[in-house]
Amino acid sequence: QLQLQESGPGLVKPSETLFLTCTVSGGSLSSSNYYWGWIRQPPGKGLEEIGYIYYSGSTYYNPSLASRVTISVDTSKNQFSLKMSSVTAADTAFYYCARLHPVMYYFDHWGQGTLVTVSS
Amino acid sequence: EVVLTQSPGTLSLSPGERATLSCRASQSVSSNYLAWYQQKPGQAPRLLIYGASSRATGIPDRFSGSGSGTDFTLTISRLEPEDFAVYSCQQYGSSLTFGGGTKVEIK
Repeated sequence: QLQLQESGPGLVKPSETLFLTCTVSGGSLSSSNYYWGWIRQPPGKGLEEIGYIYYSGSTYYNPSLASRVTISVDTSKNQFSLKMSSVTAADTAFYYCARLHPVMYYFDHWGQGTLVTVSS
Repeated sequence: EVVLTQSPGTLSLSPGERATLSCRASQSVSSNYLAWYQQKPGQAPRLLIYGASSRATGIPDRFSGSGSGTDFTLTISRLEPEDFAVYSCQQYGSSLTFGGGTKVEIK
């Protein structure tokens, strides 16, 4: 059974960099043809795609966040990561990692999510 | 960017009733690229429907999706107590976007 688990600091100061990791178990990042993505959801609001990565390293970013976001992959650890720079209070949200179908572009497996609060 | 507008914002129904949720796109979306998710408080979204009308693994047949072009619908034929949740649609065109969600609450 494929499982994803987010990890990282729950509190980040304004103007600093947010860093989260998603560990995949029950399957290999590099043996499947799926994309691996990050999605966020401010408390009480809707979902927003951040971006996704293929195990080879090719990436796509939401244009509204692209200047601040980097997604990377470490196949040896079966992990992929999110880095978001210059965070503000508007970046406070639940952050989810998920697997994205490469042809029909739906997220079929999700991590439980982690709340990141941006505050001094 | 394709904007998805979901209506109504909140749907108040009783168990056993039929729920009809709408997702309208600002421009035409390929049916292949329209999905629906269910989200309960404190949980991650769960995939219900992909390709506009295909049920994901393990999803009961009381959930069905339909539509094409700019108008898509999620129908729950008979609401069970565990179906009261927030439902979001998602599309992929040149970019991937989600609707704002419809909350189905107990009347």
